[in-house]
Amino acid sequence: EAGVTQSPTHLIKTRGQQVTLRCSPISGHTSVYWYQQALGLGLQFLLWYDEGEERNRGNFPPRFSGRQFPNYSSELNVNALELEDSALYLCASSFDRGLHNEQFFGPGTRLTVL
Amino acid sequence: AQKVTQAQTEISVVEKEDVTLDCVYETRDTTYYLFWYKQPPSGELVFLIRRNSFDEQNEISGRYSWNFQKSTSSFNFTITASQVVDSAVYFCALSEASNTGKLIFGQGTTLQVKP
Repeated sequence: EAGVTQSPTHLIKTRGQQVTLRCSPISGHTSVYWYQQALGLGLQFLLWYDEGEERNRGNFPPRFSGRQFPNYSSELNVNALELEDSALYLCASSFDRGLHNEQFFGPGTRLTVL
Repeated sequence: AQKVTQAQTEISVVEKEDVTLDCVYETRDTTYYLFWYKQPPSGELVFLIRRNSFDEQNEISGRYSWNFQKSTSSFNFTITASQVVDSAVYFCALSEASNTGKLIFGQGTTLQVKP
């Protein structure tokens, strides 16, 4: 069974640009989560999507947004990139609307903002 | 407020030694869930275990074991007879009772197992 996949693997952008990261969940999983892992800040919860709707978001500015498609894949968009957005962005998926079930993570997208 | 503390930033052991990774959590909820994840150098977080607050039984899986003690709000992880492949960053995480979808992670413990 294929795990969570993310694309691209690496990305380099400059300040002020916009970026889109993509995630495909494990087959059968309806919930997708996004986390940011920045150096020195640990893993921070960004967003949770389930059945196409945003269910919860973490303490991040509105320039972080996303969506979930009918096939449960998801995109994370970051507008007006800042240097501190440089991080590993991890996507995870789970079934049963995330009812405290374990989240399975993808390999991440490494974003560098210059 | 919910919080997870992994006080050990880095641990270095020699292969075949036993090692315990500490995790202390804070929550006002009576129902909660605790997790351990492993992050090898490749970056992908690998799920190891989930435990709910009503199940205080210790668990063993091969060389891995977990000691959950509600009285001290701890959920410690022990690797017996460590191997070089165990080298990774290990994260403890807490899930709130209300279904927010959010995992609250500790800062992680970097384990280096030397041959």
